[in-house]
Amino acid sequence: QSALTQTASVSGSPGQSITISCTGTSSDIGGYKYVSWYQQHPGKAPKLIIYDVSDRPSGISNRFSGSKSGNTASLTISGLQAEDEAEYYCTSFTSSSTWVFGGGTKLTVL
Amino acid sequence: QVQLQESGPGLVKASQTLSLNCTVSGGSITSGSYYWSWIRQPAGKGLEWIGRIYGSGDTNYNPSLKSRVSMSVDTSKKQLSLNLRSVTAADTAIYYCTKVSGLHDAFDVWGQGAMVTVSS
Repeated sequence: QSALTQTASVSGSPGQSITISCTGTSSDIGGYKYVSWYQQHPGKAPKLIIYDVSDRPSGISNRFSGSKSGNTASLTISGLQAEDEAEYYCTSFTSSSTWVFGGGTKLTVL
Repeated sequence: QVQLQESGPGLVKASQTLSLNCTVSGGSITSGSYYWSWIRQPAGKGLEWIGRIYGSGDTNYNPSLKSRVSMSVDTSKKQLSLNLRSVTAADTAIYYCTKVSGLHDAFDVWGQGAMVTVSS
């Protein structure tokens, strides 16, 4: 199974919006609603921020939103804040009953 | 709420078996509402799904690791176990134990992670 494709890095200024894309295939992202996103700060465990493509767990800011079109999922962060600087990973369930992760996107808040 | 704590040797010799435990607290290890996965992350690199196990003991493994990995559940100790055989330096990573929502198939609770180094 090949990893999902994410842009290696993205940056934005405080208050701006950024979008991170995650591209897979019809055997993973395109075929299932089980796409989720994780935020990881240095030295910490990843944290779930989006599940089922676009739903947020309790306690996650509504500045985080997710969507999907075909084989590509996207994470949008609006009103960027310094605390959003982190690594972001997407993952999807696959037709092989396994999970595949993206390579990660490093978000820098300028 | 469920909490997870990984434990095990931080150093394993090449060709030997990496063994980790994950202690579950704050919830049932056999709940039908969720199950468990192990995920690893080499230093400075991305996440890799290792496999999943249900409270019943049923498993699914990453095809790239399937020949070397096994997982089990000890309900009396409320522990999950991961064994990875014939390790090499490429298996050096932080290993995370996670709870997976059965309804949403998302990794909603993570342990703090256990760093394992494979030495030659």
